[in-house]
Amino acid sequence: DAGVTQSPTHLIKTRGQQVTLRCSPKSGHDTVSWYQQALGQGPQFIFQYYEEEERQRGNFPDRFSGHQFPNYSSELNVNALLLGDSALYLCASSLGLGQGSGYTFGSGTRLTVV
Amino acid sequence: EDQVTQSPEALRLQEGESSSLNCSYTVSGLRGLFWYRQDPGKGPEFLFTLYSAGEEKEKERLKATLTKKESFLHITAPKPEDSATYLCAVQADGFNKFYFGSGTKLNVKP
Repeated sequence: DAGVTQSPTHLIKTRGQQVTLRCSPKSGHDTVSWYQQALGQGPQFIFQYYEEEERQRGNFPDRFSGHQFPNYSSELNVNALLLGDSALYLCASSLGLGQGSGYTFGSGTRLTVV
Repeated sequence: EDQVTQSPEALRLQEGESSSLNCSYTVSGLRGLFWYRQDPGKGPEFLFTLYSAGEEKEKERLKATLTKKESFLHITAPKPEDSATYLCAVQADGFNKFYFGSGTKLNVKP
């Protein structure tokens, strides 16, 4: 039973560029949430997708956008990259908009902006 | 504003030396409090969910407890393989997102 799969695992981008991160949820899950984790900090909620719609959003600028596909996989797009966007980006999947014990996290994508 | 604070930031223990990690929170309508373990370069791994004050959960050497304002993760006779960052997160009523603390980095020396 595959867990949450994220790609790529590592990425280096130049300031001002755009990046797309991908997430395949755990089998049977239909909801995807994205988190940003800076070094030494806890994860910060970016947004959540369910039924191909953004359901909730954290305090992140519009440069951060996403999409969910009919197969429940998801993408996180970040435009006009800043040095401060360097972080581990985590995807978490769950079944419905339910409680957190059903959340499964992927291993993340380490984004470095230079 | 909803907040989660974990202490200490870092904890060094000798193998077998029991201790506790603290997670204090302020949230409007607690829906659940969650403990996760995170190894370097990995995503958080679920440990426990607590829903109401007085609740306790146990798993091997770990025991989580919950009061109205804080949660404790007790580690009994830890082993080196318990070394990791332990994250606490709360879910507020009406929301499906987590508020995470900054974590406690635990290092258990043999």
